[in-house]
Amino acid sequence: GAVVSQHPSRVICKSGTSVKIECRSLDFQATTMFWYRQFPKQSLMLMATSNEGSKATYEQGVEKDKFLINHASLTLSTLTVTSAHPEDSSFYICSARPGLADSGPQYFGPGTRLTVL
Amino acid sequence: KNQVEQSPQSLIILEGKNCTLQCNYTVSPFSNLRWYKQDTGRGPVSLTIMTFSENTKSNGRYTATLDADTKQSSLHITASQLSDSASYICVVSKGPGGSYIPTFGRGTSLIVHP
Repeated sequence: GAVVSQHPSRVICKSGTSVKIECRSLDFQATTMFWYRQFPKQSLMLMATSNEGSKATYEQGVEKDKFLINHASLTLSTLTVTSAHPEDSSFYICSARPGLADSGPQYFGPGTRLTVL
Repeated sequence: KNQVEQSPQSLIILEGKNCTLQCNYTVSPFSNLRWYKQDTGRGPVSLTIMTFSENTKSNGRYTATLDADTKQSSLHITASQLSDSASYICVVSKGPGGSYIPTFGRGTSLIVHP
C-alpha cells in the first residue's frame, strides 16, 4: 500500500528556533499534500494544503509566515515552524494524495511530535 | 458546531464483544466518507471509504454503513481485540465546489479490556 513517511518523528527545540519537518510519499507521486496539527484528545485540524510547484493554501487562522510550506517535488513537502513558541508544541501530521484526482484517498504519515521548551 | 459529529466520545468494552460507533454529518456537497483508525501517537490509517451510492463496506472485522439521506454512518467492530484500542475518526469530504477538503470528526476513543 501507499506509504508516507515523516522526519523527524520527535523533536525538542528551544523557544525562538525554527524546526523543519519533512513529509515524503515513498512509493507514489503526490500532487497534493496536506498538513495537520493535532492537540491531545482533539481531532486533526487542517493547517494547509500544499500543491507541488505552487504556493500552499492556508486555512483561516494559520499564519503562513510562521508555518512555511514548501512542496518542491511530487514526493516531498516540508513544513518549517519558524520562531517556535511553547504553544506550537503539538503533533504534526502530513498526508499525501496520489495522482491528480481531487477525490482520491489520503495516506497519512506517522506524525511528528514537536515540543518547544 | 462541528460538521462531523461522532458518538460516543469514548467507549470501553471487553475483548470479544462487538461495538458500533456513530457518525452524523452536515457536510455538503458530499463526496465521500472515510473511517480511520488512529493509534496513540501515530498517524491515521484508513479502514473504509464510501461514496454516495454505497451503503456498506467491510474490511475484515470492520463494517461501515452509510445512509446518505439521513447523513449518518456507523462503524461496527466485530469480535473486538485488544489491538482495536484506538481512536476511530470519521472523515467526510466535500464534493465538487468544495475542493474535496476533508472535515474530521473528533473521534471515538475505544478501549478494549481483556
